[in-house]
Amino acid sequence: AQSVTQLGSHVSVSEGALVLLRCNYSSSVPPYLFWYVQYPNQGLQLLLKYTSAATLVKGINGFEAEFKKSETSFHLTKPSAHMSDAAEYFCAVSRNAGGTSYGKLTFGQGTILTVHP
Amino acid sequence: DSGVTQTPKHLITATGQRVTLRCSPRSGDLSVYWYQQSLDQGLQFLIQYYNGEERAKGNILERFSAQQFPDLHSELNLSSLELGDSALYFCASSPGQGGMVRSGANVLTFGAGSRLTVL
Repeated sequence: AQSVTQLGSHVSVSEGALVLLRCNYSSSVPPYLFWYVQYPNQGLQLLLKYTSAATLVKGINGFEAEFKKSETSFHLTKPSAHMSDAAEYFCAVSRNAGGTSYGKLTFGQGTILTVHP
Repeated sequence: DSGVTQTPKHLITATGQRVTLRCSPRSGDLSVYWYQQSLDQGLQFLIQYYNGEERAKGNILERFSAQQFPDLHSELNLSSLELGDSALYFCASSPGQGGMVRSGANVLTFGAGSRLTVL
């Protein structure tokens, strides 16, 4: 079974500071990994995805994440936080084709990012 | 606008009642997924349909059912509602049924959700 653990339900940073949101996964097969963002009263928007190509993945809005197999991690970073980054972020894992879970995602519990002026 | 349309946006009903949530997938997408987001359970996968057929089932209660119609829209039916069913219900769609597709990973596009309040 797959699972995702997001360390820290709340992260607070100052505007301009580094953003680091942590995600560790568990999967018995090579995973696909995703980061989604949810702004208040909105649906989930894809930030970036890892699909076994380059281990450093660049996404939208200046975010990137690095897949580290040895650490089973897929942490999300952004060099300089902006006020508009305040939202809830979800890490998710899905299984390769051939598994019975097809394209469904298993989500972490989410991390609320607060950005202070 | 993600291209995935969910109605209604908000719904308030009483315990014991039945409701239907509707989802129109993004144009060209054949798979529809339903997720439930609640404070205590987080985001939980309920069920997936691909081109009208059920493909995967998650933590969906027996009181809940879903279907995907020939025009690919999907409905999630929730019956004998309980207070604990209050949640945000998301629909998502994707091009394929899982794994990789020619455009890359089978990425899910989410709708804005339907917020259900059971009183």
